Amino acid sequence: EAGVTQSPTHLIKTRGQQVTLRCSPISGHTSVYWYQQALGLGLQFLLWYDEGEERNRGNFPPRFSGRQFPNYSSELNVNALELEDSALYLCASSGWQGMETQYFGPGTRLLVL
Amino acid sequence: GQNIDQPTEMTATEGAIVQINCTYQTSGFNGLFWYQQHAGEAPTFLSYNVLDGLEEKGRFSSFLSRSKGYSYLLLKELQMKDSASYLCAVRYSGNTPLVFGKGTRLSVIA
Repeated sequence: EAGVTQSPTHLIKTRGQQVTLRCSPISGHTSVYWYQQALGLGLQFLLWYDEGEERNRGNFPPRFSGRQFPNYSSELNVNALELEDSALYLCASSGWQGMETQYFGPGTRLLVL
Repeated sequence: GQNIDQPTEMTATEGAIVQINCTYQTSGFNGLFWYQQHAGEAPTFLSYNVLDGLEEKGRFSSFLSRSKGYSYLLLKELQMKDSASYLCAVRYSGNTPLVFGKGTRLSVIA
């Protein structure tokens, strides 16, 4: 069974640009979570989508946004990139309204110059 | 807030046993997870506890005491490849995401 997939694996952008990251959950999972992990730091919760709706949002500015599609895949959009947005962006998925174990994708490493 | 506390760093010797502790706030508790994360990689699921007691999975075991708000991850017969960060995460009731601790960086030395 395929795990969570994310694209792209690496990305380099300049300050002020916009970026879109993509995530496909494990088949049968309806919940998708996005996390940011800056170098050497812990996981910071960004967004949680379930059944196409935003269930919860972390303490991030509105330039971080996303959506979930009918096939449960998800996008994370970051506008007006800042240097401190450089991080590993992790997507995780789980089943049954977020009540099951979260499994993580390999992540997208974003570097903002 | 729902803080998860775990030690920042630990060092242990190859072949030894190490215990990584995690404490959390008990109100609304609905399950605890342990993940392993190697540097630069994604976290991988290790164990899940929702009832009191010990769950064993090969060299790894996880223990939970709900009344004390306490869990530990026990790693036996340590190998060099066990050098990684170990994340404790708690699920609380309600429409809330998992709350992750900052992780414990374990270094296994020869």
